[in-house]
Amino acid sequence: DIQMTQSPSSVSASVGDTITITCRASQGIAGRLGWYQQKAGKVPNLLIFGASRLQSGVPSRFSGSGSGTDFTLTINSLQPEDFATYYCQQADSFPFTFGQGTKLEIK
Amino acid sequence: QVQLVQSGAEVKKPGASVKVSCEASGYTFIAFHIHWVRQAPGHGLEWMGQIHPNSGVTNYAQKFQGRITMTRDTSNTTVYMELNSLNSDDSAIYYCVRSFRVTYGDYWGQGTPVAVSS
Repeated sequence: DIQMTQSPSSVSASVGDTITITCRASQGIAGRLGWYQQKAGKVPNLLIFGASRLQSGVPSRFSGSGSGTDFTLTINSLQPEDFATYYCQQADSFPFTFGQGTKLEIK
Repeated sequence: QVQLVQSGAEVKKPGASVKVSCEASGYTFIAFHIHWVRQAPGHGLEWMGQIHPNSGVTNYAQKFQGRITMTRDTSNTTVYMELNSLNSDDSAIYYCVRSFRVTYGDYWGQGTPVAVSS
């Protein structure tokens, strides 16, 4: 199985800050990666697919990059509604494993 | 609009089975894979498997092989996930997820809590 490792596990930031979350795959997955946001008690929401493509309806302050084994999710100018947990998921091969999550908290 | 409506919460004893349904509407049912993802309390997301509603072809995570079955009923646009030999580690919220490009989950069901307790 491909292991997905996110860092950091948690991060504190303020409204208006820019943060970056990293996701590393245990083997190359080309650009086959998605990012999800999950707010407390809610269903996950797809933000990015294909490593860098913004899902319809997602604000442009979210962006993704990377290929192979190393990927990043960047959130520019954090808004109050962005404080949530973020997960990456590889879409390369079965099983489609998720990272362990990164909790973004308000400083 | 696309909707995935799941069956209600379940409480099961260890060793029992649970079958969760996911009724899809608002799109062409046979055109998109449905995945099942679970989330234990306070934990992350875990991919369990997928089914293609047109062919019925399934792919399961090795971890669940032998005790998971995904089926579909195209006449009522419903997908089912049955998990056998439950233990306390199976207590979680179970989500069905429609995917595009095979894998990316764009619509999620509301989740079905399953509690396993003696």
